[in-house]
Amino acid sequence: QKEVEQNSGPLSVPEGAIASLNCTYSDRGSQSFFWYRQYSGKSPELIMFIYSNGDKEDGRFTAQLNKASQYVSLLIRDSQPSDSATYLCAVNSGDSNYQLIWGAGTKLIIKP
Amino acid sequence: GAVVSQHPSRVICKSGTSVKIECRSLDFQATTMFWYRQFPKQSLMLMATSNEGSKATYEQGVEKDKFLINHASLTLSTLTVTSAHPEDSSFYICSVQQGAVRNEQFFGPGTRLTVL
Repeated sequence: QKEVEQNSGPLSVPEGAIASLNCTYSDRGSQSFFWYRQYSGKSPELIMFIYSNGDKEDGRFTAQLNKASQYVSLLIRDSQPSDSATYLCAVNSGDSNYQLIWGAGTKLIIKP
Repeated sequence: GAVVSQHPSRVICKSGTSVKIECRSLDFQATTMFWYRQFPKQSLMLMATSNEGSKATYEQGVEKDKFLINHASLTLSTLTVTSAHPEDSSFYICSVQQGAVRNEQFFGPGTRLTVL
């Protein structure tokens, strides 16, 4: 069964520090990788996507992908209390054009 | 990304009634929409994939006769929870897929269903 694994947390990070969120996946055929942020009681919001090995930076966010290790991570620099949320990792299914496989999410708490 | 709306945002109903939830893609013609369910403190669970003009594809364990999906146009998909029971109380969220290659999904704001 194809799986996406995340540490459920909570991950507690002081304000201004770097938050590091990790995700591993089992489907070697996966090509697209996504990070979603979900605030309590709200729906998920896409914040980053990455398709190639290496790093991709967007503002305070950096996604890192290592297909050989089947590992994708999200770094949040200069963490703010507003970054406190659950972060969901999603990976496309290698044998489907559209279906995403979802991790259970990591709860991140930024402490002022 | 695509802008998606859902209606209603919140509904409370009595056990045994049916509830219809609408999902609209406001700025994008979506041939594929997804319906998810999320129980408190749990992750997203894909219920079904809604394809415009054809029958929905349901995930294993999801009763197609209980969760009726209609995707009659490129901008509207509906989910009807028939004969709702308290165990159907959940957060229902739709999403649209934008791009056949990159697969990113954009979500509606969700509908919180409470069945008394």
